[in-house]
Amino acid sequence: EAGVTQFPSHSVIEKGQTVTLRCDPISGHDNLYWYRRVMGKEIKFLLHFVKESKQDESGMPNNRFLAERTGGTYSTLKVQPAELEDSGVYFCASSHGGGAFFGQGTRLTVV
Amino acid sequence: AQSVTQPDIHITVSEGASLELRCNYSYGATPYLFWYVQSPGQGLQLLLKYFSGDTLVQGIKGFEAEFKRSQSSFNLRKPSVHWSDAAEYFCAGTGGNTNAGKSTFGDGTTLTVKP
Repeated sequence: EAGVTQFPSHSVIEKGQTVTLRCDPISGHDNLYWYRRVMGKEIKFLLHFVKESKQDESGMPNNRFLAERTGGTYSTLKVQPAELEDSGVYFCASSHGGGAFFGQGTRLTVV
Repeated sequence: AQSVTQPDIHITVSEGASLELRCNYSYGATPYLFWYVQSPGQGLQLLLKYFSGDTLVQGIKGFEAEFKRSQSSFNLRKPSVHWSDAAEYFCAGTGGNTNAGKSTFGDGTTLTVKP
């Protein structure tokens, strides 16, 4: 069974540019979550999809972040425009009850 | 507020020695609790989870954890550490929903294994 897959694994962009991260959850998992770890600090929740609907987006830091999950399959997280403080590792997880399975993460560096 | 605390930022043990990583939680009701491991260059991998029932939980890679309500703890243990166990370990909790993906994480404990 394929796990949660994230693209790209690394991204280096300049301040002010746009970056889109993608997450492919485990097939059949209705729940998809985005987390991030900034500057080696704790892993923080960003938002939660149930199928294509946003169940909880209380962790989204500001309106420069936009998450979508069209068709309830893969999800994208767009940062526009990126700022220096957005640098960190962005994790995606999916679940169908019983604990979440995480992807490898995308390491984003904004310079 | 709900929280998970890992008191130890960094632990060093010798290969073959026993290991215990501490985790304390603060929730209004009994949470669901998890331990994850992140090896260098890898994603987060679920080691084990506690939902209810037996308070001693067995996980993968020879790890186990014990839920102790009286101490609000969920410490991770392994009887004999291998060099490949060197990684960062995260304790996480969620407020008792079976939809357990939205979790609160501890700050992580980095494990170094000496030869």
